[in-house]
Amino acid sequence: QQQVKQSPQSLIVQKGGISIINCAYENTAFDYFPWYQQFPGKGPALLIAIRPDVSEKKEGRFTISFNKSAKQFSLHIMDSQPGDSATYFCAASRNYGQNFVFGPGTRLSVLP
Amino acid sequence: NAGVTQTPKFRVLKTGQSMTLLCAQDMNHEYMYWYRQDPGMGLRLIHYSVGEGTTAKGEVPDGYNVSRLKKQNFLLGLESAAPSQTSVYFCASSEWRGRPSTDTQYFGPGTRLTVL
Repeated sequence: QQQVKQSPQSLIVQKGGISIINCAYENTAFDYFPWYQQFPGKGPALLIAIRPDVSEKKEGRFTISFNKSAKQFSLHIMDSQPGDSATYFCAASRNYGQNFVFGPGTRLSVLP
Repeated sequence: NAGVTQTPKFRVLKTGQSMTLLCAQDMNHEYMYWYRQDPGMGLRLIHYSVGEGTTAKGEVPDGYNVSRLKKQNFLLGLESAAPSQTSVYFCASSEWRGRPSTDTQYFGPGTRLTVL
């Protein structure tokens, strides 16, 4: 049973375009929502994270938008670059990180 | 700092064999986690620990056991391996203080396990 749903499964974007990945959750007890980036053969690495008391967080070209009432959050990658090609996972946790749940992942390909 | 390291990197087992995966971190983190990653499933939490001597079950604990005898080490054991346990296993650690600057899980490079 997937507690965090993620879409699309794969995404192809032209260089310079905007990549958008969406996630939805059911458990209203979740209080921390990170996004991870994973390159082939490597472990995931934290990209950006948000808490439900804010609706948006921006770090460089990466922005999280959070809609608490809809129980949805999304990752926007502005000016997408070929180096952004990776698999992206959204996640959620509660009780201060004692139990993380991950989405199934989105494979992003940015064409040069 | 080496960060989070995992041993071994690759392993092939026969059904019914046992093995232990070792995770080590040198960041003095309290929290440690074991995940498995399967195609189309994302990462699923197997077990985690919130401190030395403590362990707790995650989403998919059956068939696995863990131990946290030392703060820096977190061991994952398979007592009787099954083909369904073929996966890539990731260990992670975090220092959780409820502050955004430290709310980060650091992942190891993974262990690719095949059970025949």
